[in-house]
Amino acid sequence: GESVGLHLPTLSVQEGDNSIINCAYSNSASDYFIWYKQESGKGPQFIIDIRSNMDKRQGQRVTVLLNKTVKHLSLQIAATQPGDSAVYFCAENKGAAGNKLTFGGGTRVLVKP
Amino acid sequence: DAGVIQSPRHEVTEMGQEVTLRCKPISGHDYLFWYRQTMMRGLELLIYFNNNVPIDDSGMPEDRFSAKMPNASFSTLKIQPSEPRDSAVYFCASSLSGGRSPLHFGNGTRLTVT
Repeated sequence: GESVGLHLPTLSVQEGDNSIINCAYSNSASDYFIWYKQESGKGPQFIIDIRSNMDKRQGQRVTVLLNKTVKHLSLQIAATQPGDSAVYFCAENKGAAGNKLTFGGGTRVLVKP
Repeated sequence: DAGVIQSPRHEVTEMGQEVTLRCKPISGHDYLFWYRQTMMRGLELLIYFNNNVPIDDSGMPEDRFSAKMPNASFSTLKIQPSEPRDSAVYFCASSLSGGRSPLHFGNGTRLTVT
C-alpha cells in the first residue's frame, strides 16, 4: 500500500554509490533515534538506532550520525543496491517515558541500475 | 519469530459501519502501539499500551475510535461509525521495555471507507 505523500523528497542514487539521507529534529530532549525503511505494502522495518550519548553507530552497510548541536540525524548507506529502494523514516523519542516515537515525513530513495 | 501479525490486510466498508482491526504483538513484548499512516499526515501515533494498560490515547482522533488490549497477545482498534476520512493504513507495533528499544511493526491493515 502507499506509504507516504505525493510530495516526498526523493533521492536518486546510482547503484553502487553511497546514499546519505538527512533528518532534522526539533526537540533537544530527544534521547533516542531510529531509522526505518518502508517498502510498498509493508510496515516500517527497523534499520538502526542511536542514543543521544553517541555520535555515530555502524551496522551492516549503514551508518547513523547524530549531531546534537544542530539537531541533525543522517543515515548513510554504503554501496546502494536496488533492494535499498524504499521510503526511509527517521523517528525520535522526545524524552518521554516508554517507547513512544514521533516519525518524520520520510525520504524516498530510488536506486538506478 | 512470526513478528507482529495484523488482520485483516485489507478492509473495505461503507460509511457508518463498524470496523475492527486486530493485532497480535511479538511474544514477550510489553508495549503495543497503534499508528495510522496517510498521504497527508504521514505516520501518527493513535494510542499505546504498556502491560495491557492504555498509557497515552491523546492521538485517538475522536470518540468513534476505541482500542482494547484484553491480554498480552491481542489488541483491537475499533472505529464505530466509520467515515471516509478514516481511510488509511493502520499499523500495529510492539516493543520491549527496559529503556529505549525499537518498535517492530506489522504489515498494516489498509482501510477504505466508501
